[in-house]
Amino acid sequence: ETGVTQSPTHLIKTRGQQVTLRCSSQSGHNTVSWYQQALGQGPQFIFQYYREEENGRGNFPPRFSGLQFPNYSSELNVNALELDDSALYLCASRPQGPQETQYFGPGTRLLVL
Amino acid sequence: QKEVEQNSGPLSVPEGAIASLNCTYSDRGSQSFFWYRQYSGKSPELIMFIYSNGDKEDGRFTAQLNKASQYVSLLIRDSQPSDSATYLCAVNIRGYSTLTFGKGTMLLVSP
Repeated sequence: ETGVTQSPTHLIKTRGQQVTLRCSSQSGHNTVSWYQQALGQGPQFIFQYYREEENGRGNFPPRFSGLQFPNYSSELNVNALELDDSALYLCASRPQGPQETQYFGPGTRLLVL
Repeated sequence: QKEVEQNSGPLSVPEGAIASLNCTYSDRGSQSFFWYRQYSGKSPELIMFIYSNGDKEDGRFTAQLNKASQYVSLLIRDSQPSDSATYLCAVNIRGYSTLTFGKGTMLLVSP
């Protein structure tokens, strides 16, 4: 167990809808990253939050947005869902300090029909 | 341009054998290297990380890093059927705290 939790575990949406995924990071971890993992692929970096500010973004369109709260929990929002958004969405947290190790939550599996 | 490359496998080894998983990366600014294990339907689980050239051992696992060749590997000694999973190589590039992953190598350990 990494201490990182995510909700919901599974979700089914239809194309064009909006979805919000949630993550609670491990105590003492102030950096949260979100990744998308399509079937058969490695995780792809979406964006990262540090102290409630986005401080890095991967190659994802603006309809992918996020928030980090003062307690370091985080949300990933996806608007105008597309079929290709079907994937496992992973939240990873990193402790304060120079260590780069990231610990993943269990993920949310999203299916877009 | 792919930044982290892994053979997708599957790599099949008998129980008790040594499994060797390989990974190459393209960015010479890469500083930190990670191996994650991912069981089917589960999230990645950290196995090891390595920062310096050479070997790093942790139980049955040994990570090897060669920055000149831009190559990192994971050896699993005395492989067990429970080691059957996909192994993801991840790289942290200097100046960024995010990880770039390969597609993973599927390992199958037969009893």
